[in-house]
Amino acid sequence: GNSVTQMEGPVTLSEEAFLTINCTYTATGYPSLFWYVQYPGEGLQLLLKATKADDKGSNKGFEATYRKETTSFHLEKGSVQVSDSAVYFCALMNNAGNMLTFGGGTRLMVKP
Amino acid sequence: KAGVTQTPRYLIKTRGQQVTLSCSPISGHRSVSWYQQTPGQGLQFLFEYFSETQRNKGNFPGRFSGRQFSNSRSEMNVSTLELGDSALYLCASNRDTRTDTQYFGPGTRLTVL
Repeated sequence: GNSVTQMEGPVTLSEEAFLTINCTYTATGYPSLFWYVQYPGEGLQLLLKATKADDKGSNKGFEATYRKETTSFHLEKGSVQVSDSAVYFCALMNNAGNMLTFGGGTRLMVKP
Repeated sequence: KAGVTQTPRYLIKTRGQQVTLSCSPISGHRSVSWYQQTPGQGLQFLFEYFSETQRNKGNFPGRFSGRQFSNSRSEMNVSTLELGDSALYLCASNRDTRTDTQYFGPGTRLTVL
């Protein structure tokens, strides 16, 4: 079956530091890949997505590239802010388009 | 465009009771999915409905059930509540294409005492 593995947190960074959160997946076919973010007490918000190999998703300074050869979708940001503190989830969509499989989530804490 | 809405936002129940949660999808979205989020198990898929039909189901006991109405609104029901059912229940909707995005509601926080 499908699975997603992402680095465990928490990840603690100083403001303006570079961020990488690793995500690898196992799936049949060519799934769409997503990063969602969850702030305390809230649901999941889509951060970015990529639907085919070599696609780069980007939003609010975050980027991730769909790497088919390494089955990875690592999240990066060049300069994090305190407001980026949240839990980040990597996910893939099944071929039928009706079920997301999530990684365990990575908590990011950014200190001023 | 209004987002996915879920009611109620918070619920407190006791063991053995049953509960019904409601979800209204984004206008035009016909697929509604439900997920359970707990600290121990993370985010797990419960089931997905499209045009009032359950198309996919996760690995949960039969106490967990759902349905979808003709206006795409969905409800999920949990009977004979157990302490382990305490969780954040998230609803998501999408238009139903493989590459489409699922948009999530704020969730219903269920506490079972």
